[in-house]
Formats: sequence, C-alpha cells, structure tokens
Amino acid sequence: KQEVTQIPAALSVPEGENLVLNCSFTDSAIYNLQWFRQDPGKGLTSLLLIQSSQREQTSGRLNASLDKSSGRSTLYIAASQPGDSATYLCAVGPMDSSYKLIFGSGTRLLVRP
Amino acid sequence: EAEVAQSPRYKITEKSQAVAFWCDPISGHATLYWYRQILGQGPELLVQFQDESVVDDSQLPKDRFSAERLKGVDSTLKIQPAELGDSAMYLCASSLVVHETQYFGPGTRLLVL
Repeated sequence: KQEVTQIPAALSVPEGENLVLNCSFTDSAIYNLQWFRQDPGKGLTSLLLIQSSQREQTSGRLNASLDKSSGRSTLYIAASQPGDSATYLCAVGPMDSSYKLIFGSGTRLLVRP
Repeated sequence: EAEVAQSPRYKITEKSQAVAFWCDPISGHATLYWYRQILGQGPELLVQFQDESVVDDSQLPKDRFSAERLKGVDSTLKIQPAELGDSAMYLCASSLVVHETQYFGPGTRLLVL
C-alpha cells in the first residue's frame, strides 16, 4: 500500500529565504507526482506535475525534483515571500487505471515579513 | 480561466439528516473526482468518474454515501444519514484525461452537529 510522508509538518522562515519541502513515498511504481498548494479553508491549486520519467520541473520560483528509485521528491522555493504562506501537499499518482492520487498530510509554511 | 465550481461552500446539518453537494467540472474534462479532507490531513479519494461511469469507489462508504454523474458533466455527492464523523471538507476535482493534472474546486465544508 502506497504511503506518502511529508517532512516537516510545519515550517516558519523569514522572508527571502530559500527553502526545501520534502516528500517521500514507499512504492516507486508511480505514474507521476504532483505538488499542490492549499490556502486555509480553500481548495487545492496545482503547482507542478512531474512525470515518472522526468527528474525535475520548474515554474517561476518553484522547482520540484523527483528521485523515483529512492522514493523522494523535493519542492524548492526560492526567495520566499509572505504570499507563499500556505500548506503544500504532494501526491503520487499510481500506475493503475484508476489513478487514485495518494496525498501526504502536507507541510504548513509560514513566511514571516 | 475555467474553474471547477462547487456548491454550497458551507453546510451545517444535524446528524441523521441528508446532505447533497454539487460539482461542475471544467468544460470538456472527462474525469471527475470527489475527495474528503479531514482537517490537518491530505485529501482521500471517495469516488472517481470517467464520463458517467464509476471507475473507483472503493473508499466510498456505500451504506450512506452515493454519487452520480448522470450525463457525464456535473456530479452530485449525497450523504444520508449524516454522522458526526462526516464533518470534513469535500473537494471535487477534474482532469482532461486520467493521469494528468487535477484541477480542484473551492470545496464544501460540512459540519455535522
């Protein structure tokens, strides 16, 4: 059974700092991996999707890497801003046809001005 | 920009009552998902539709929950009777095809008293 873990559960950093959020998964047989952002009481916003054949994806100040063999992904946020404060969730998509995304519990990020 | 619509945004009900949630996916998206998210956790898939057909409802408590997508467009999730443990955020998502980026709606926050 696939399990997804995100460490740390919460993170507080000063504005301008570069930071890394970690995601690990137990079964390397994945189709792809997605990173989402969730603001309090809101739905999820897709940030990046990495196919299993890819090593990384970039969007603006965000860079996500994937090491499928070791069951790890990282989300790198450069030059953090207070507006980046949110919960970041990673989710792995399995190889089977149902494509049931398995989510981690998220990392709650606070960027202090 | 096209968005996934959900209503209502908030629902307060008493246990044993019936509740229903509605979702309108992005136009043209064949795949629709209903997730449940308990506070502090990642979303868990309840049911997945491909057009009007159920692909995966293995985590749907079928004694009290039902879901339909009659014309392969919008969808309704129903709970009858509601229990205290059903209090959660109910999220709808859609994707153009399976295995691609899922776009989430704003969610319906349910409180069962």
